[in-house]
Amino acid sequence: GNSVTQMEGPVTLSEEAFLTINCTYTATGYPSLFWYVQYPGEGLQLLLKATKADDKGSNKGFEATYRKETTSFHLEKGSVQVSDSAVYFCALTFTGGGNKLTFGTGTQLKVEL
Amino acid sequence: SAVISQKPSRDICQRGTSLTIQCQVDSQVTMMFWYRQQPGQSLTLIATANQGSEATYESGFVIDKFPISRPNLTFSTLTVSNMSPEDSSIYLCSASFPKTSGFSYEQYFGPGTRLTVT
Repeated sequence: GNSVTQMEGPVTLSEEAFLTINCTYTATGYPSLFWYVQYPGEGLQLLLKATKADDKGSNKGFEATYRKETTSFHLEKGSVQVSDSAVYFCALTFTGGGNKLTFGTGTQLKVEL
Repeated sequence: SAVISQKPSRDICQRGTSLTIQCQVDSQVTMMFWYRQQPGQSLTLIATANQGSEATYESGFVIDKFPISRPNLTFSTLTVSNMSPEDSSIYLCSASFPKTSGFSYEQYFGPGTRLTVT
């Protein structure tokens, strides 16, 4: 079946540090890939997406590139802020699979001053 | 993106009772889903809410425990029946849009309902 593996957290960084959260997937075929963010006490927000190999999704300074050869979709940001503290979920879906999302376990990010 | 609201935002319930959670979307969507997020865990899909027909449940979830309705394209309810403390979770609804909207394959989430069963 399909699965998503994320690096375990919590990840603790100082403000303005570089962020990488690793995400790899196992799937038959070529899924669409997503990063969602969950701020404390809130629901999930779509952060960025990529629908085919070599696509780069970007939003709010975050980026992730769909790497078919390594089945990866790592999330990066060049300079994190305290306000980026949240839980980040990597997820995949197939267009022919009823749009059902398969989520990774989530990675908690804490950014300190 | 759509605005998705849920009611109630949180509740504390006694074991053995039932709670119905409502999900409202401000535009017509093709698909609606219900997820459970247990404390400190990722999201698990409970079921796909089908408009005008029975929901499609994932393995481990059954209609008697989690009855779902979807009477139209913008509204759905999830009932958590005969609750036990193990049902304490955040329940989230999500929606995806027609391909013609340009938002295909994306799901947008409501703010969640935080349920505590005592």
